[in-house]
Amino acid sequence: DTAVSQTPKYLVTQMGNDKSIKCEQNLGHDTMYWYKQDSKKFLKIMFSYNNKELIINETVPNRFSPKSPDKAHLNLHINSLELGDSAVYFCASSQPGTSGGMETQYFGPGTRLLVL
Amino acid sequence: RKEVEQDPGPFNVPEGATVAFNCTYSNSASQSFFWYRQDCRKEPKLLMSVYSSGNEDGRFTAQLNRASQYISLLIRDSKLSDSATYLCVVRSGGYQKVTFGIGTKLQVIP
Repeated sequence: DTAVSQTPKYLVTQMGNDKSIKCEQNLGHDTMYWYKQDSKKFLKIMFSYNNKELIINETVPNRFSPKSPDKAHLNLHINSLELGDSAVYFCASSQPGTSGGMETQYFGPGTRLLVL
Repeated sequence: RKEVEQDPGPFNVPEGATVAFNCTYSNSASQSFFWYRQDCRKEPKLLMSVYSSGNEDGRFTAQLNRASQYISLLIRDSKLSDSATYLCVVRSGGYQKVTFGIGTKLQVIP
């Protein structure tokens, strides 16, 4: 009964390839996120969706395209992978409006992407 | 100036010690503040929210100073299991925009 799950857990691929990472949450949350954690361990938000609508789109190359087929799923497709894309990608979800604005973000286990 | 700044450490402390971390934020309109914990090769997990009046959860105490724009985390009687990276998180501005600090690494030594 994992709350936020991601697949795959590990992804090793060649430069120039296209790959997708999937995320699912069974918490009934309206908001989902993608974060990137680089080799320096800095966790940076990439995208946020609320009820299937894009609400946050940080400065991310347009090779990265999120897609939310329904509010329980947020997938991330990456085109033309580059060496600098190597990182850990975390999906997260939260329910806005709870706890007086102090809503918790629940993270998935991460997808470790290595581009060779 | 970074939106959220933390000393990355590492802080190496003996078991039983008290240790404190600070985190500063640049946006005075920031609304919500949190401490998350991240173990090595794991996902971040909420440790505690930080309320205006300060709050305590067992050995952990969080404080917010809006005037000086910083939050703090105090850990008393450190345990080996407290070894982790502690991430300062600030929510501000638009819809669900959260910013993570780089994290402060704590190593509790036997």
